[in-house]
Amino acid sequence: AQSVTQLDSQVPVFEEAPVELRCNYSSSVSVYLFWYVQYPNQGLQLLLKYLSGSTLVESINGFEAEFNKSQTSFHLRKPSVHISDTAEYFCAVSDGSNYKLTFGKGTLLTVNP
Amino acid sequence: NAGVMQNPRHLVRRRGQEARLRCSPMKGHSHVYWYRQLPEEGLKFMVYLQKENIIDESGMPKERFSAEFPKEGPSILRIQQVVRGDSAAYFCASSPRRGEGYTFGSGTRLTVV
Repeated sequence: AQSVTQLDSQVPVFEEAPVELRCNYSSSVSVYLFWYVQYPNQGLQLLLKYLSGSTLVESINGFEAEFNKSQTSFHLRKPSVHISDTAEYFCAVSDGSNYKLTFGKGTLLTVNP
Repeated sequence: NAGVMQNPRHLVRRRGQEARLRCSPMKGHSHVYWYRQLPEEGLKFMVYLQKENIIDESGMPKERFSAEFPKEGPSILRIQQVVRGDSAAYFCASSPRRGEGYTFGSGTRLTVV
């Protein structure tokens, strides 16, 4: 069985500050890792994913995440956040079946002016 | 090309009534997945369907819940005799191939009063 732990339920930051949203997972098999973002009253949008290859993956809006196998982590970072980044962020893992996602409980990122 | 369409967006049901949630996958997608998001929880996998077939229903409650994806028309998640604990956001996702290129809909928020 797999599980995902997002250590922080809420992260308040000021605009232009750096942010890190933490995600740890447990799995007995190789995994694929994902970060999804959910804006208020909307569905989930894929932010970035790790399937294989380079352990550092980037999104088009400045977020990046690094797969660390030894620490079983996939933390999400952004060097400078904007007000528009305010949303809930979910880390997810998929096993070899590749269709069933296991989600963490989410981290609410609030960017204040 | 419209995304994954879910309707209704909001649904209010009294205890004991039936709830029907619809999901129209993206054009060209024949794989559909349903997830449930309880308050302050991450999304939990419920069921995976392909046209006319249930592939994996390991996340479905044993009673009152059923899902279908007919040859024609949307996928339907049906909850009979709803109870307060069924209040949640129900998300549907679709993909062109098994587990690949997941796209989520905006969800149906079910409130049981």
